[in-house]
Amino acid sequence: GENVEQHPSTLSVQEGDSAVIKCTYSDSASNYFPWYKQELGKRPQLIIDIRSNVGEKKDQRIAVTLNKTAKHFSLHITETQPEDSAVYFCAPFNKFYFGSGTKLNVKP
Amino acid sequence: SAVISQKPSRDICQRGTSLTIQCQVDSQVTMMFWYRQQPGQSLTLIATANQGSEATYESGFVIDKFPISRPNLTFSTLTVSNMSPEDSSIYLCSVGQTGARTDTQYFGPGTRLTVL
Repeated sequence: GENVEQHPSTLSVQEGDSAVIKCTYSDSASNYFPWYKQELGKRPQLIIDIRSNVGEKKDQRIAVTLNKTAKHFSLHITETQPEDSAVYFCAPFNKFYFGSGTKLNVKP
Repeated sequence: SAVISQKPSRDICQRGTSLTIQCQVDSQVTMMFWYRQQPGQSLTLIATANQGSEATYESGFVIDKFPISRPNLTFSTLTVSNMSPEDSSIYLCSVGQTGARTDTQYFGPGTRLTVL
């Protein structure tokens, strides 16, 4: 079956620092790599995604990088702000399974 | 993006009873899913709701416990049957958008279920 591992499970950074979350997957057929953000008590929402024909994508302070050879993709948040505090999930399969989540805490 | 509503938003139920959760989308969508999210945990896919046919269940979930209906392309229901305290969780409906972004998922606000 498909396996996905997300690291770290928790991450605490100082406001203004960068945060990186990594997602490792097993299914080489995956071609769509999204990241979702879930704030406390709210629904998950897509924040950025990438397809397998692209190595990197940026949207203001967030970026996603993909290494298909190593089967991992990462979420990068620069200049973190307190409102970035949330749980982040990857979902690297076309079968709609989610990673275990990373709880990011940005300290003001 | 699709606008998704769920009813009820929360409920407290007695052991042994059943609850039906409704999911309504404001546009026709190809794919609809039901997830369970326990406190502090990730999302676990229960099943894919198929329009006009039986839902496709994930390992560990069965139709007798979680019957699902999808009568059209904008509506689905999930029933949690013969509930026990272990069924206490948030249940989320999600849709896969039609068109170019068929892989992106949009989620309903969730139904918080507490079983006593």
